[in-house]
Amino acid sequence: DAGITQSPRHKVTETGTPVTLRCHQTENHRYMYWYRQDPGHGLRLIHYSYGVKDTDKGEVSDGYSVSRSKTEDFLLTLESATSSQTSVYFCAISSGQGAGEQYFGPGTRLTVT
Amino acid sequence: GNSVTQMEGPVTLSEEAFLTINCTYTATGYPSLFWYVQYPGEGLQLLLKATKADDKGSNKGFEATYRKETTSFHLEKGSVQVSDSAVYFCALSAYSGAGSYQLTFGKGTKLSVIP
Repeated sequence: DAGITQSPRHKVTETGTPVTLRCHQTENHRYMYWYRQDPGHGLRLIHYSYGVKDTDKGEVSDGYSVSRSKTEDFLLTLESATSSQTSVYFCAISSGQGAGEQYFGPGTRLTVT
Repeated sequence: GNSVTQMEGPVTLSEEAFLTINCTYTATGYPSLFWYVQYPGEGLQLLLKATKADDKGSNKGFEATYRKETTSFHLEKGSVQVSDSAVYFCALSAYSGAGSYQLTFGKGTKLSVIP
């Protein structure tokens, strides 16, 4: 299994508070991704990174920002959490080789009250 | 843009039954195709993949064939077990620049296998 951890695994926060989720990998993969998973929507890409300090927006990036200061860490920040951001968040990594397959972390369940 | 459509669930089967989960895609170029599986409370795991037309991906008794003429990648297993109960996602991979590939997912199909 790919070495990917996410923290925290569960979080409950109040509307309007900032929240940061962390993804850590031990595979030295270049590419990292943040997705959210919601019933009826499958997985949707929020942001991705193609190297240290290199990031780009995905399909549902509004209200989210990311940073990548080291190869192994990719942070997702909700500047001011809203109830619509209640979701399960997954980090994924890819080497960019092969068929473009990605390997997923265990997820963070975020509830915004 | 790219899209993946997979059959609506949930699907409930008895143990040892035959499984088919349909998946069709729309994409420009020649994407790679994947099936991922998600067990309760876990992240997605890559189940199998195919990278070109007529390729057959297989793993753990599951298989799927890349059919370019019908733009399909249906998942099959001859005899399901209770331990196969999970959500299955079909996905395609397309090059998005800067050496990066992006995955487009179907909405998932929940499979429940009863003894």
